[in-house]
Amino acid sequence: NFMLTQPHSVSESPGKTVTISCTGSSGSIASNFVQWYLQRPGSAPTTIIYHDDQRPSGVPDRFSGSVDRSSNSASLTISGLKTEDEADYYCQSYDSNNVIFGGGTKLTVL
Amino acid sequence: QVHLQESGPGLVKPLETLSLTCGVSGFSISTGYCWDWVRQSPGKGLEWIGSIHYSGTTYANPSLKSRLTISLDTSRNQFSLKLSSVMAADTAMYYCARRTNFYYDSSSYLTGGYFDLWGRGTLVTVSS
Repeated sequence: NFMLTQPHSVSESPGKTVTISCTGSSGSIASNFVQWYLQRPGSAPTTIIYHDDQRPSGVPDRFSGSVDRSSNSASLTISGLKTEDEADYYCQSYDSNNVIFGGGTKLTVL
Repeated sequence: QVHLQESGPGLVKPLETLSLTCGVSGFSISTGYCWDWVRQSPGKGLEWIGSIHYSGTTYANPSLKSRLTISLDTSRNQFSLKLSSVMAADTAMYYCARRTNFYYDSSSYLTGGYFDLWGRGTLVTVSS
């Protein structure tokens, strides 16, 4: 079964740039689009990146996504970190008809 | 403006059937999109439960497929989830969501797209 692996947690200072990785267990992560969701405590997730690198309207360009075929991984990069970016981040892709989520990464902005 | 709202019992006994409904306002569910269920156990990550295409075709997480029924009620503009024989491990926040920009790949698998709208979620506890 296809799985997506994320680091459990990352931390960085306000104003800096952080990158969260999402590695596919097999095959090529580039075979299917990757999405990224942000979830704050007590709230539903919201989409910040879809189809590898597209931002829904209203999402700041501080958020960017990419896919690296050589490492079979996707990345979410957040620049100009703000304290409000502190949240859980989930990558998501597909395997046959199934939706697959990564385990999530807790971002601490300190 | 489109809104999704989950409803259903907050407490279900073990081995009984969990039934939830997602009411949709502002859009007719029979005219487009896929309508999905996602859950999150306390302190854990997101888990996809299943999906129903607006045509009525359903897709289920293989780990839940034998217990899962997802259906559309176009007359009430809502879609539903039924999960049978629930256990404590089914205790979770249940979210309904709308999936957009999906497509069928060369193998006719439903793929692509993203969840552009989510309900606020409803907590379901499985306990006697």
